[in-house]
Amino acid sequence: NAGVTQTPKFQVLKTGQSMTLQCAQDMNHNSMYWYRQDPGMGLRLIYYSASEGTTDKGEVPNGYNVSRLNKREFSLRLESAAPSQTSVYFCASSEQGIIQPQHFGDGTRLSIL
Amino acid sequence: GQQVMQIPQYQHVQEGEDFTTYCNSSTTLSNIQWYKQRPGGHPVFLIQLVKSGEVKKQKRLTFQFGEAKKNSSLHITATQTTDVGTYFCAANFNKFYFGSGTKLNVKP
Repeated sequence: NAGVTQTPKFQVLKTGQSMTLQCAQDMNHNSMYWYRQDPGMGLRLIYYSASEGTTDKGEVPNGYNVSRLNKREFSLRLESAAPSQTSVYFCASSEQGIIQPQHFGDGTRLSIL
Repeated sequence: GQQVMQIPQYQHVQEGEDFTTYCNSSTTLSNIQWYKQRPGGHPVFLIQLVKSGEVKKQKRLTFQFGEAKKNSSLHITATQTTDVGTYFCAANFNKFYFGSGTKLNVKP
């Protein structure tokens, strides 16, 4: 039982390149989330998916797109990476909605040069 | 903007001393969650508080939710080196907002 799995763990991009971060959960959770974590800023919600087939913007959605591919998988895409998107990205899932505890993946450390 | 204010930003304690972090909001919260993140790790859920004035304990950790449901605290009694990490509160304002966290360092 792996929980929440994120790939890749590390990535370096050049400005303007595109990239998709993958996330999969094996807990049969309905809701999934993408966060970014910057030093001193805590975690900020980028996008979330309350259930399969739905996605909604979070606090900082600009420059990102998401796809809820199926119940297990929720991907985050950077179409044209910018240095301001250098961050640690966490995917999380919860059984149903934001009132339930969230389970986090190990994160993707992304650097954009 | 920041919906949830968390203080202090950093706390350095000697092993055995107590530690408290506070989470404050200007808006009434429906519920609040607490997470711990070890250095280099990911956030791990600790507890959720829902009721006004609620107090929950987990061994040396005591969590409180204010009567007005606008603030919360996490208190650790007699800290140990295993308590090192950053403690975050997270609150529901239709969307989910994390506080900026309190980084705890414990000197042995």
